[in-house]
Amino acid sequence: GIQVEQSPPDLILQEGANSTLRCNFSDSVNNLQWFHQNPWGQLINLFYIPSGTKQNGRLSATTVATERYSLLYISSSQTTDSGVYFCAVERDSGAGSYQLTFGKGTKLSVIP
Amino acid sequence: DGGITQSPKYLFRKEGQNVTLSCEQNLNHDAMYWYRQDPGQGLRLIYYSQIVNDFQKGDIAEGYSVSREKKESFPLTVTSAQKNPTAFYLCASSAMWAEETQYFGPGTRLLVL
Repeated sequence: GIQVEQSPPDLILQEGANSTLRCNFSDSVNNLQWFHQNPWGQLINLFYIPSGTKQNGRLSATTVATERYSLLYISSSQTTDSGVYFCAVERDSGAGSYQLTFGKGTKLSVIP
Repeated sequence: DGGITQSPKYLFRKEGQNVTLSCEQNLNHDAMYWYRQDPGQGLRLIYYSQIVNDFQKGDIAEGYSVSREKKESFPLTVTSAQKNPTAFYLCASSAMWAEETQYFGPGTRLLVL
C-alpha cells in the first residue's frame, strides 16, 4: 500500500516562531489533506490540497504532486497551535470510494 | 448545528464482551468511516460505507462489525474476537460527489478492564 511519511516527528517552538512540516508519499494520489488533532483528540481539517498552494490565516500549505510531497507552514505560532498535525492522502479504491491513508503525524508543542 | 456526534466518550469493556460505539451525523453525507488510533500513531481505517445498507472492510476490519441501516447512523461493534481493542475510535463522514473533505467526530476512548 501507499506509504506516508511525516517529518519531523516532534517539534518544540517558542511562541511567535515559524515552522515547516513535511509530508512525503510513495505513490500518486487523488488528493491530500492536512488535519490538526487537538490535545482532546478532535481532528479538524485544515486544508484539502491536491496541488498548488492555499492559505488560511497564519497557516498555508503547498503540495507538489509530481514530486510527491506537501508542506504545511505555520507562522507566528501560538500555544493554541499545539497538538498533532496529520497528513492524509486519498487513494481511489474504485467505485467512487475515497480512502484516506494517514501519516504518523508531527507533534507540535508551542511554549510561551 | 451540523456535525458528527459519537457516544459514549469513554467506554469500558470486559473480557468476552461485545460493545457498540455510536456515530451519528446530520450533514446529509453519503459516506461514513470508522478509524482506530493507537498512541503515537496515525489513524487506520476499520470500515467504511458509501451508501445505506452497504459497507466495505478497511485495512483492519478483523474483530469489528458495522451496520448502515440509516444514512445518519453508522454504529461500530467491537467484538470479543478483537484481542487488543484498547484505542481511540474516530468516526468521520464526507459528501460523495463534492470535495472529499472528511469531517470527524470527537471520538470514543475504549478501555479493557
